[in-house]
Amino acid sequence: QKEVEQNSGPLSVPEGAIASLNCTYSDRGSQSFFWYRQYSGKSPELIMFIYSNGDKEDGRFTAQLNKASQYVSLLIRDSQPSDSATYLCAVLGSGTYKYIFGTGTRLKVLA
Amino acid sequence: NAGVTQTPKFRILKIGQSMTLQCTQDMNHNYMYWYRQDPGMGLKLIYYSVGAGITDKGEVPNGYNVSRSTTEDFPLRLELAAPSQTSVYFCASSYARGSEAFFGQGTRLTVV
Repeated sequence: QKEVEQNSGPLSVPEGAIASLNCTYSDRGSQSFFWYRQYSGKSPELIMFIYSNGDKEDGRFTAQLNKASQYVSLLIRDSQPSDSATYLCAVLGSGTYKYIFGTGTRLKVLA
Repeated sequence: NAGVTQTPKFRILKIGQSMTLQCTQDMNHNYMYWYRQDPGMGLKLIYYSVGAGITDKGEVPNGYNVSRSTTEDFPLRLELAAPSQTSVYFCASSYARGSEAFFGQGTRLTVV
């Protein structure tokens, strides 16, 4: 069973701090990695995607991928209360069309 | 742009009833997906389709059926509803393998 694992949290950080969200995956051949944000009662929306090892930055968000360690992370700089949500890690496995999601990490940014 | 549209938004079913959850997208995406999300859990893939006429099972297909007669539409059929099917159902679509998946607003289903 190919899996994507995340710490369910909640992860609490003060406003203005850096929030670090982590995700591990079991399929070593996985090729595409996504971070979605989901507010309570709403549908997931894409924050970042990353395909290659290393860092990818978009505004306050940085995705980091380490395929050797099967690890992907999302850093949120200058965290705002509006960033409080559940963050879902999704992985597209090798030779498949299926996006496998983790259970999500609930982030709370304290004002 | 409408994106991915799901109907209905809410529904209460009695045990043993059947229903169809509708999903349509106007982005000409080939790939479409049905997920369910139970409270505090991630998304579990029910069925997916890589194009009109082609469907395949995901992680939790039992109790559901799908069809894909057009590029735009991907309905999910529940036969003989059971309390275990109480969940929020999301339809999603993507342009290509490995590209971003866009989600509909979800259908909250309760089976009593």
